[in-house]
Amino acid sequence: DARVTQTPRHKVTEMGQEVTMRCQPILGHNTVFWYRQTMMQGLELLAYFRNRAPLDDSGMPKDRFSAEMPDATLATLKIQPSEPRDSAVYFCASGLVRGVGTDTQYFGPGTRLTVL
Amino acid sequence: TQLLEQSPQFLSIQEGENLTVYCNSSSVFSSLQWYRQEPGEGPVLLVTVVTGGEVKKLKRLTFQFGDARKDSSLHITAAQPGDTGLYLCAGVATGNQFYFGTGTSLTVIP
Repeated sequence: DARVTQTPRHKVTEMGQEVTMRCQPILGHNTVFWYRQTMMQGLELLAYFRNRAPLDDSGMPKDRFSAEMPDATLATLKIQPSEPRDSAVYFCASGLVRGVGTDTQYFGPGTRLTVL
Repeated sequence: TQLLEQSPQFLSIQEGENLTVYCNSSSVFSSLQWYRQEPGEGPVLLVTVVTGGEVKKLKRLTFQFGDARKDSSLHITAAQPGDTGLYLCAGVATGNQFYFGTGTSLTVIP
């Protein structure tokens, strides 16, 4: 049963510290999404990769957030420096785009980030 | 920018009752998906509707895509405690871009 994995599941850090979240997409998937979920804003798209290339990162604060895919099996989301307002659950999702039609996103369990 | 508004935001009902959740937008989408999210987990896809006016049934759940492909509804018949969760609609735009709705938190009381 293939699943998206995310590490860590929980992270508590102090304001100003660097935070790195990791995601292992399902093998063979060619799209990766990073989302942030809060009670106030709901689920917001931060970044979208296809075949490891960033297609859209307009939802991401550029001054402190960065997203990369060093290889097909790893996606990372970094926050430097972190701020209390970054506290949220961060989800990674992967999917397979084959052209016409809508493909399914498979979500990971999320990383719950608390910035003190 | 929140393109999709869901209503109601919160819903608490007794087991056996029926309910409808709405997902509305002023934008046209190529398709629309519904997800259910349980506490501590990521959203899980329930259904994808593609054609305007399309109706899909998944056991006690009925999904409808609006004729103009701007809105959708989810109807649950005879709700059960296992239906409890956060229901999210997601509009899919060109380029496989997903826009999630504001969410409806459903609690079914035994």
